[in-house]
Amino acid sequence: KAGVTQTPRYLIKTRGQQVTLSCSPISGHRSVSWYQQTPGQGLQFLFEYFSETQRNKGNFPGRFSGRQFSNSRSEMNVSTLELGDSALYLCASSLSLGTGGEQYFGPGTRLTVT
Amino acid sequence: AQSVTQLGSHVSVSEGALVLLRCNYSSSVPPYLFWYVQYPNQGLQLLLKYTSAATLVKGINGFEAEFKKSETSFHLTKPSAHMSDAAEYFCAVTLTGTASKLTFGTGTRLQVTL
Repeated sequence: KAGVTQTPRYLIKTRGQQVTLSCSPISGHRSVSWYQQTPGQGLQFLFEYFSETQRNKGNFPGRFSGRQFSNSRSEMNVSTLELGDSALYLCASSLSLGTGGEQYFGPGTRLTVT
Repeated sequence: AQSVTQLGSHVSVSEGALVLLRCNYSSSVPPYLFWYVQYPNQGLQLLLKYTSAATLVKGINGFEAEFKKSETSFHLTKPSAHMSDAAEYFCAVTLTGTASKLTFGTGTRLQVTL
């Protein structure tokens, strides 16, 4: 069974631009979560989607948004990029909500904002 | 709210020596606890999880962890380190319920020397 895939793997953007990252969960998994990883703040939860609905949200500004499609694929969008948004963005999928957090992570998208 | 604290941002052991990575949790209700490993330029891989069944949990690659409620700890151990164990290790906690949000510790980088 294929793992979680994320595209693109690397991205360079300029301050003020917006970016969209994509995540395809493991087949049959219906819950998708997004995390931001930076050297300073570590791993931080962004949001979780299940059945095309946002079920949980972390403490990030409204510039960070996401959505989930009927096939469980998810996208996250960051508008008006700031230098501090440079990070590794990880997507994780799980079978459903409340599965005890057993999540399967993709390789991440490395975003660099210049 | 739940949280985890990892003691020691860097741990160095000799090949063949015992690996001990420390994690203490804080939670007002019984938690689910996890250890994840991250190799360079990769996502996170689940090593093992505690979900209130057995207190001694065995994971992949020879790792195990013991849940000690009295000490609020979930330390990760491996009897004999291998060079391939060099990576960053994250302890994480989530609560039962309808969400899968993981709260991560700050990570411990394990170095294995000859």
